Amino acid sequence: GAVVSQHPSRVICKSGTSVKIECRSLDFQATTMFWYRQFPKQSLMLMATSNEGSKATYEQGVEKDKFLINHASLTLSTLTVTSAHPEDSSFYICSARTLRPGKNTEAFFGQGTRLTVV
Amino acid sequence: QKEVEQNSGPLSVPEGAIASLNCTYSDRGSQSFFWYRQYSGKSPELIMFIYSNGDKEDGRFTAQLNKASQYVSLLIRDSQPSDSATYLCAVSASGGSYIPTFGRGTSLIVHP
Repeated sequence: GAVVSQHPSRVICKSGTSVKIECRSLDFQATTMFWYRQFPKQSLMLMATSNEGSKATYEQGVEKDKFLINHASLTLSTLTVTSAHPEDSSFYICSARTLRPGKNTEAFFGQGTRLTVV
Repeated sequence: QKEVEQNSGPLSVPEGAIASLNCTYSDRGSQSFFWYRQYSGKSPELIMFIYSNGDKEDGRFTAQLNKASQYVSLLIRDSQPSDSATYLCAVSASGGSYIPTFGRGTSLIVHP
């Protein structure tokens, strides 16, 4: 399968600070990237969908001013958690996919980022 | 509201047995179906995808799709302790965006 690299894998930050998470597709061009959040023993919760060169589409209940997503190139998307608070502590996972016209292609996940806000 | 349902388990099977994981979905227009495996503390990894009715086999894994009944299953033959994980079913939304919807996952335990 294709390789998606996510960095950092773990981060601990102080409440009120911002954290940037990077997601890179290493061997393919990702026209679409998804950002998920997963709490312990819960399913993946889609936060937003980003298409290269356009603004991200956020799911209901996700604050776009708090979770800033940038997808400036076909191989890189970033998620910035601004003014982080302890309740933002979670496992954040990106997923990348190339969408071919008329076909649905599988998405590949990054390694995930364990964010702890203290 | 597009929904994907999975029994959370845990499903416990002895080593060497067949593990059967099931998933139902609500969107009749769904077109693509995926099974991911997620180990504790790790991100999901793709095991299989299936687009057409019927069975698709890959090694010890077989995905089965029945669009009329709106279910997709994953069979794991000769289960190994290393197969112990949470298995996530994902279904792509119909329409141009193909945004996948994930089930809550089924926890599988393969005991020696």
